[in-house]
Amino acid sequence: DQQVKQNSPSLSVQEGRISILNCDYTNSMFDYFLWYKKYPAEGPTFLISISSIKDKNEDGRFTVFLNKSAKHLSLHIVPSQPGDSAVYFCAAKGGSEKLVFGKGTKLTVNP
Amino acid sequence: DAGITQSPRHKVTETGTPVTLRCHQTENHRYMYWYRQDPGHGLRLIHYSYGVKDTDKGEVSDGYSVSRSKTEDFLLTLESATSSQTSVYFCAIRPRGPGELFFGEGSRLTVL
Repeated sequence: DQQVKQNSPSLSVQEGRISILNCDYTNSMFDYFLWYKKYPAEGPTFLISISSIKDKNEDGRFTVFLNKSAKHLSLHIVPSQPGDSAVYFCAAKGGSEKLVFGKGTKLTVNP
Repeated sequence: DAGITQSPRHKVTETGTPVTLRCHQTENHRYMYWYRQDPGHGLRLIHYSYGVKDTDKGEVSDGYSVSRSKTEDFLLTLESATSSQTSVYFCAIRPRGPGELFFGEGSRLTVL
């Protein structure tokens, strides 16, 4: 049973435009959500997080939105840059230290 | 900055042989994790540790055991490797806030 779902395996956008990556979750006990970025042959790196008490968190070009009623979160990247091309993983956790990841979305930003 | 060393980085072995992957951190972070990454599955938690000799299972723990006898080392053991355990294994620590993991570079294991 997949608790964190990223339904789009891939996304392609033009440089300078907005990238929107989506994530859905099923476990209502999740209270902390994160996005990670992964380049080939490297470990994932933490990007941005949001607590369930907030609906938006912003860090530079990256903004994460959380809609608790819909059990949905999204990552917005504005403006997108070619260096943003990577696989993006959505992750969530509840009261334990177990972090559950989605399957990832491969973002390609075309120059 | 937090530092993680995984060893070996690459390993090819045969079905039925035991394999141990090592994760070493340069600081004294309490939490350490082992994940595996497979195409179509994303990252899945195998085991994690919340202190010396304190470990808990993740979602794909069958066929794996772990040990943490020192704060800085977290070992992942496959007692009898199977082809389904061919994967890239990532170790992680939690140097900051909830869920903010710092990952190692990965260990690629191939079981023939």
